[in-house]
Amino acid sequence: QQQVRQSPQSLTVWEGETAILNCSYENSAFDYFPWYQQFPGEGPALLIAIRSVSDKKEDGRFTIFFNKREKKLSLHITDSQPGDSATYFCAASETGANTGKLTFGHGTILRVHP
Amino acid sequence: NTKITQSPRYLILGRANKSLECEQHLGHNAMYWYKQSAEKPPELMFLYNLKQLIRNETVPSRFIPECPDSSKLLLHISAVDPEDSAVYFCASSHTVSGNTLYFGEGSRLIVV
Repeated sequence: QQQVRQSPQSLTVWEGETAILNCSYENSAFDYFPWYQQFPGEGPALLIAIRSVSDKKEDGRFTIFFNKREKKLSLHITDSQPGDSATYFCAASETGANTGKLTFGHGTILRVHP
Repeated sequence: NTKITQSPRYLILGRANKSLECEQHLGHNAMYWYKQSAEKPPELMFLYNLKQLIRNETVPSRFIPECPDSSKLLLHISAVDPEDSAVYFCASSHTVSGNTLYFGEGSRLIVV
């Protein structure tokens, strides 16, 4: 059973547009949701994260919107740049469990055309 | 990212034995091995906290982790199989609970 789902699998936008990446999860106990950005040939790097007590987290052009009731969240990238082209992983964990287990979604491949 | 270094970066193997090495310079307590196959998310293999193995996911017995000290992690691989072709990432975090995971640049293993 896939506990973290992402959509779409791939997304293409033009430079300057807003890219919206979606994520949903099954486990109600998840309370920490980081988004990782991965460029080809590199390891994933934390982009932005949100805890379940918040419904929005903003960092520059990147914003997470979180809906706890529906178990959904989305990453909005405004004014998309070609340098944002990467794979974006939504992940989730249950911090109280102290298991260290981070469950990743399958990722969304974002392409930003100039 | 020079804060978590992995070696070798690329490895082409027949059915031989080899070890991957990782060192983190972040002072973190938790260290991880992840496997990432083509077009898939990273999958946790092993987790050490304060040098103790606390998570051992379903991984073939030919993969043996070792944590010689709190900043170093090794992954010994014996008699590799073609399905082992993947990128192996070392990662670390301050603690095991809800902290940012920092990944190394990975070791790409190609089994021929």
